[in-house]
Order: sequence, then C-alpha cells, then structure tokens
Amino acid sequence: RKEVEQDPGPFNVPEGATVAFNCTYSNSASQSFFWYRQDCRKEPKLLMSVYSSGNEDGRFTAQLNRASQYISLLIRDSKLSDSATYLCVVNNYGGSQGNLIFGKGTKLSVKP
Amino acid sequence: NAGVMQNPRHLVRRRGQEARLRCSPMKGHSHVYWYRQLPEEGLKFMVYLQKENIIDESGMPKERFSAEFPKEGPSILRIQQVVRGDSAAYFCASSLLAGVYNEQFFGPGTRLTVL
Repeated sequence: RKEVEQDPGPFNVPEGATVAFNCTYSNSASQSFFWYRQDCRKEPKLLMSVYSSGNEDGRFTAQLNRASQYISLLIRDSKLSDSATYLCVVNNYGGSQGNLIFGKGTKLSVKP
Repeated sequence: NAGVMQNPRHLVRRRGQEARLRCSPMKGHSHVYWYRQLPEEGLKFMVYLQKENIIDESGMPKERFSAEFPKEGPSILRIQQVVRGDSAAYFCASSLLAGVYNEQFFGPGTRLTVL
C-alpha cells in the first residue's frame, strides 16, 4: 500500500461546480496533514492544514477521519483559477518528523 | 518579506559534471528541507537541515549527493558526477518551527537537466 494515495484524476468540472478529493494514508501514527496545490511547473503552495475537527477556509473545506485514515478536500463554487494539481501531504511520523510524504496529486481542470 | 529563494532556476549539466543548487529560507526560518520531483511523480523527501546540522538525510542517495546549511549563507545541495536519472525539479522548503506541526513553504525550485 502506498504511503499516501490519491485518485490521479483528472477531474474536469464546469465553473461553479462542487468537487471533492479524497486521500488515504497508511501510517496510522501520522499526526499532521496538509493540502497543497501545485500549478504546472511551479512549486507546491500550502492551501490548508487539516485539523481533527475539520476546518474551512472560504470555499475550501478539509476533513480528517483518523479511524479510516482518510482525508478529504471539498471545493465549492469552483473558479477557473482553481485549476491545478492538489497534493495530499502527511508528516512522516517515526522519522525526524521534519519530512513530509506527498501523494502524487489529483489534477483538477475547471472549464468555463 | 521574501519567500524561499532558490537559484539557479534552471541548470543544465553534462553527465559527470557537478551540480550545485542553492536555497535561502524565508526570513526567520532556520529549518530547511530538500525534495526532488521526477517527471509525473510526487515530491520525495531528501534531507532536512538546521543551521550547521543535518537532522535527517534518510531520503538522500548514499552516493554523489550531499547537503549543507552553513552558519552564514544559503543551504547547498550538491550532486557530483551527475547522471541522466538526476534530471528532475529540486525544491527547497523552509519552516519556522520543527516537529510534526511545522508548515513548510516552498521555493520555486531548480530544474536540473542532465544531457
């Protein structure tokens, strides 16, 4: 089982749609979780940290289910500018804890 | 407040040459991380450094690769005797805090092409 697994997509959605991304992780001892977005040939940019209680930032909502080792990201009212690859990221518990484990990403394309 | 700086942005080397990649963390950050992204792959951790110390190099290939973060100046990732398989994007990140809850911020990356 891969350490962090994501549906690669692509997800092709119209503007205004709601889209959800899912991610599973293998290490039950992982303690911190993040969503990053990465535009083509650019660096990853932190979108949001994911907290146990779930958290929301504008149109973006992140959820964590520790029992199922599952993380989700919901984007409401999609904009053209949301087109990017969304990376699910988990800390590497058991190591120095300084390094992050990245999923391969889910590609989103928002069309007019 | 400048973000993480990396240079060069693009680097072309012939097989057998050396590549030096530089990273200046965000102001006030003393934790630096290097990651590598191969084409169509996810980012893979290479090494974690604090000033003058290597904290975790578990993702670094045993040969040809080294990293440092001196007391003064940027962090350097050095690849000796490059091979075609080293062609990738190398990203540096920095964080203010250490530990599990640190949020890492990435630089624009150096794209290394080995001919």
